[in-house]
Amino acid sequence: GQQVMQIPQYQHVQEGEDFTTYCNSSTTLSNIQWYKQRPGGHPVFLIQLVKSGEVKKQKRLTFQFGEAKKNSSLHITATQTTDVGTYFCAGYDNDMRFGAGTRLTVKP
Amino acid sequence: NAGVTQTPKFQVLKTGQSMTLQCAQDMNHNSMYWYRQDPGMGLRLIYYSASEGTTDKGEVPNGYNVSRLNKREFSLRLESAAPSQTSVYFCASTRGPSKGYEQYFGPGTRLTVT
Repeated sequence: GQQVMQIPQYQHVQEGEDFTTYCNSSTTLSNIQWYKQRPGGHPVFLIQLVKSGEVKKQKRLTFQFGEAKKNSSLHITATQTTDVGTYFCAGYDNDMRFGAGTRLTVKP
Repeated sequence: NAGVTQTPKFQVLKTGQSMTLQCAQDMNHNSMYWYRQDPGMGLRLIYYSASEGTTDKGEVPNGYNVSRLNKREFSLRLESAAPSQTSVYFCASTRGPSKGYEQYFGPGTRLTVT
């Protein structure tokens, strides 16, 4: 069945450094979504990517969908303490599978 | 709009006890979902309901039952709780009938089974 792998599991950065999390699917996806979960909170939808090679930006966040629609990445430029949380990808291919998430901590 | 609400927020059960987790959404969404979240394992789908009157098993349905009471409400029942069911449970809803739509999550229920 479909599996979604996400790396790294943890990332600790100094404020101002960049951060990237990667997502890989075992199958070709119809779309991929990204969610953010603050500590003690619930997942909140960030964005959905649908097209092969798609790149979308939200302020300091850049989301990419691979050409083969099997991988994706989220890049944060110049992290801030407000970026702390766990970032999940969720790949859809008739079924939705969430990655295990990348927990980001930011040292001020 | 409250979005997706869940009750209770926290619960402690003894092994063998039963309980029902409640979920409601006020966004007129068609589909609703129950997930469990365990450390290092992301979100795993327990059951979902594509529309009122229908329910289907997800990835980890064993030990759970669900009821789609009406379009707004979707409950999750543990008939005989086990320590392996200690987890955080999230309810979610989507506008469309498939799981590929943007999901709106409730605040979660933190369940401990001793």
